[in-house]
Amino acid sequence: AQSVSQHNHHVILSEAASLELGCNYSYGGTVNLFWYVQYPGQHLQLLLKYFSGDPLVKGIKGFEAEFIKSKFSFNLRKPSVQWSDTAEYFCAVNARKAAGNKLTFGGGTRVLVKP
Amino acid sequence: DVKVTQSSRYLVKRTGEKVFLECVQDMDHENMFWYRQDPGLGLRLIYFSYDVKMKEKGDIPEGYSVSREKKERFSLILESASTNQTSMYLCASRHPGGAGEKLFFGSGTQLSVL
Repeated sequence: AQSVSQHNHHVILSEAASLELGCNYSYGGTVNLFWYVQYPGQHLQLLLKYFSGDPLVKGIKGFEAEFIKSKFSFNLRKPSVQWSDTAEYFCAVNARKAAGNKLTFGGGTRVLVKP
Repeated sequence: DVKVTQSSRYLVKRTGEKVFLECVQDMDHENMFWYRQDPGLGLRLIYFSYDVKMKEKGDIPEGYSVSREKKERFSLILESASTNQTSMYLCASRHPGGAGEKLFFGSGTQLSVL
């Protein structure tokens, strides 16, 4: 069965600091990888996804993530955060051959950006 | 824009009650999902549906059932609510383009079982 692990539950940083959120998954086959974000009071929305091709994926709002197959990782990065990046971030994996193409989520990381 | 609407934002129920959570999407998506979101545990899949009248168990189906009589509507049923079912419930839908398609989420229903 596939599983997803996010290393940090809470991250606090100041504006302009760099952000990196770790994500590791366990599944030996081909996967699709996602980062979703939930801003305070809003619904979950897609930040970026990896399907195939270039392992460095760029998403909305200056975020990017790198798929490292050998490390089963899909870490999210942003060089310089803003106060508006305060949110909860979820990594998710979809094993391509899994029944139902169900998406498995990690436990989430709450990010607080101090102004 | 795809709209996924959950009928209630907040619900308070008593232990043993039968609870219905409703979800409607307006984009003709075949796939629909119910997750629960708990702090530190992320989102856990309860049930999903490929299409009308089809349903599959997710990772934590115990204590829940679902109904998909119409394509746009996917209902989650708590047969006899218990306090450990207090949680945020999220509905999502997806176009069945494959594993790379993104999910569209509703705003969630915060259920408290007393």
